[in-house]
Amino acid sequence: EAQVTQNPRYLITVTGKKLTVTCSQNMNHEYMSWYRQDPGLGLRQIYYSMNVEVTDKGDVPEGYKVSRKEKRNFPLILESPSPNQTSLYFCASSWTGKNSPLHFGNGTRLTVT
Amino acid sequence: KQEVTQIPAALSVPEGENLVLNCSFTDSAIYNLQWFRQDPGKGLTSLLLIQSSQREQTSGRLNASLDKSSGRSTLYIAASQPGDSATYLCAVRVYNTDKLIFGTGTRLQVFP
Repeated sequence: EAQVTQNPRYLITVTGKKLTVTCSQNMNHEYMSWYRQDPGLGLRQIYYSMNVEVTDKGDVPEGYKVSRKEKRNFPLILESPSPNQTSLYFCASSWTGKNSPLHFGNGTRLTVT
Repeated sequence: KQEVTQIPAALSVPEGENLVLNCSFTDSAIYNLQWFRQDPGKGLTSLLLIQSSQREQTSGRLNASLDKSSGRSTLYIAASQPGDSATYLCAVRVYNTDKLIFGTGTRLQVFP
């Protein structure tokens, strides 16, 4: 089944403790991206990647890192999480064609205390 | 800077009604506009994608239109059903970048 898989689904951590949220897709998509969703603000793009070893900042990249060493994986790294990074995070992928629809994972709910 | 607005923020209708959800954007330089559905606790599911050169797209009971010059798109849902209850989001793919800008969504409830 074609899908985007994020892990974990839920994560509670403390300020400053490094964490990684994994994202994997099995559709051989070149394009992958990360979003956070907050009440009243909608989805905002954090980082995106056009292909292996190619990443670029979205609208809210501060406090996040990404890497794209393999086509199928696009982990999101929070080196020193803070409470304002408490949010619902989504990974998505698509073909690189500008008119390719996005496929989303089921989300990761992160709480930083 | 591109901004996307969706009105209304919430909508509650009886089953069987035809309804229209609105999406507006401030910059017409886009590749496409995409409509998504989000169910509670789930990710987003792509419903329709309208390329900038197109005027509308249809899938089953859904019809989406795009008026790029006026910065507007509508999602028309015919004969609504309780299973249509979800949050509907629109997003534009910004021209000359690979960024997607989302609206804040319309939360739809269809009651029997």
